[in-house]
Amino acid sequence: SYVLTQPPSVSVAPGQTARITCGGNDIGLKSVHWFQQRPGQAPVLVVYDDTDRPSGTPERFSGSNSGNTATLTISRVEAGDEADYYCQVWDSSTEQFVFGNGTEVTVL
Amino acid sequence: QVHLVESGGGVVQPGRSLSLSCGASGFTFGRYSMHWVRQPPGKGLEWVAVISHDGSETYYADSVRGRFTVSRDTSTTTFYVQMNSLRPDDTAVYYCARGNGMFSRPLDYWGQGTLVAVSS
Repeated sequence: SYVLTQPPSVSVAPGQTARITCGGNDIGLKSVHWFQQRPGQAPVLVVYDDTDRPSGTPERFSGSNSGNTATLTISRVEAGDEADYYCQVWDSSTEQFVFGNGTEVTVL
Repeated sequence: QVHLVESGGGVVQPGRSLSLSCGASGFTFGRYSMHWVRQPPGKGLEWVAVISHDGSETYYADSVRGRFTVSRDTSTTTFYVQMNSLRPDDTAVYYCARGNGMFSRPLDYWGQGTLVAVSS
């Protein structure tokens, strides 16, 4: 089955840039979606189809995807960005959605 | 606005069955696929299953295939999962989510979840 690998944690100072990677075999050939989950809350879609933002997602959130790595970038990080972040792809070979293991973002 | 509300969670013994419901409102239910996603306590998200907009196709995670069955009722705009032969590792918060189109499309709205605890 398809595996997505994320770093367990990322720490960043306020105002700096956080980059969260999502590794998978030829992930650049797939559409990657990203979710933010604050403690005690349901996940929220923040980036879809590698680079697109739903209405309501700040422009500080951006995505990229190439080769074996997709990346979610959070610019000018704020305290409110502290959350767990998950990448997700549809694996057409098994007809299943796959989530990454999640990355906890801590704002110092 | 889009609203998804899960219900039916609770404590159940191993080997028993439980059915969860997801009431949907604020959108044309019959135009969207629907998913179940679960999250064990303190762990990450795990996709469980999907049903197509018209109920004609379903797909399941390997961990639940043959034990869980998803269905939908357009007349009541409700989405279901029937969970049989429950195991302790099925313990999780279960979320329903709307798929914005075909199966590979993003899950753009989520409910608040319902907790299922499998324990003797």
